[in-house]
Amino acid sequence: DGGITQSPKYLFRKEGQNVTLSCEQNLNHDAMYWYRQDPGQGLRLIYYSQIVNDFQKGDIAEGYSVSREKKESFPLTVTSAQKNPTAFYLCASSISVGGSGELFFGEGSRLTVL
Amino acid sequence: QKEVEQNSGPLSVPEGAIASLNCTYSDRGSQSFFWYRQYSGKSPELIMFIYSNGDKEDGRFTAQLNKASQYVSLLIRDSQPSDSATYLCAVTASSASKIIFGSGTRLSIRP
Repeated sequence: DGGITQSPKYLFRKEGQNVTLSCEQNLNHDAMYWYRQDPGQGLRLIYYSQIVNDFQKGDIAEGYSVSREKKESFPLTVTSAQKNPTAFYLCASSISVGGSGELFFGEGSRLTVL
Repeated sequence: QKEVEQNSGPLSVPEGAIASLNCTYSDRGSQSFFWYRQYSGKSPELIMFIYSNGDKEDGRFTAQLNKASQYVSLLIRDSQPSDSATYLCAVTASSASKIIFGSGTRLSIRP
């Protein structure tokens, strides 16, 4: 079945640690995105990528990093520089940025800082 | 001013009534508009999309777009308890480089 797989579903991090969230898609979509959602809030864009080996900062990129070495994969690293990383992280993809715009979401990764 | 604004709610509607959700956006060049439904603890799922001024109907759902007023709405007819969720309005930026979400409206359908 085609879709987006995020892992892990739940992750606990100690202060000062970097963690990497995985996002893999088999939809053959060019564009991929990372959003952050805090309780009772909407989605805020962290990073997005329109094509392999290229990505752009979203609205809240500080303390995060990404890579896009393969079309199928867009991992997000939450670094120790991110001061308040506890949140629900959503990866999404679309056929292309600026196309129909329909986003397909993974199930999300919930990060908690201890 | 936020790029996409929604009333956070909660909006409480009796079962069987019409629920009306509203959204305004600031980027006059935006071309694509979406409504996503998100159940608590789950990821969003697409309900409707609309590109042209006017109404678009799909089953119990109707999306309405007024580009002159920079306003998009979602009507849910014959509301069901399963419609209780947060509804997110999303807009494609005029640069077409990204999709911007509102903070969502929490809808509660009371029996």
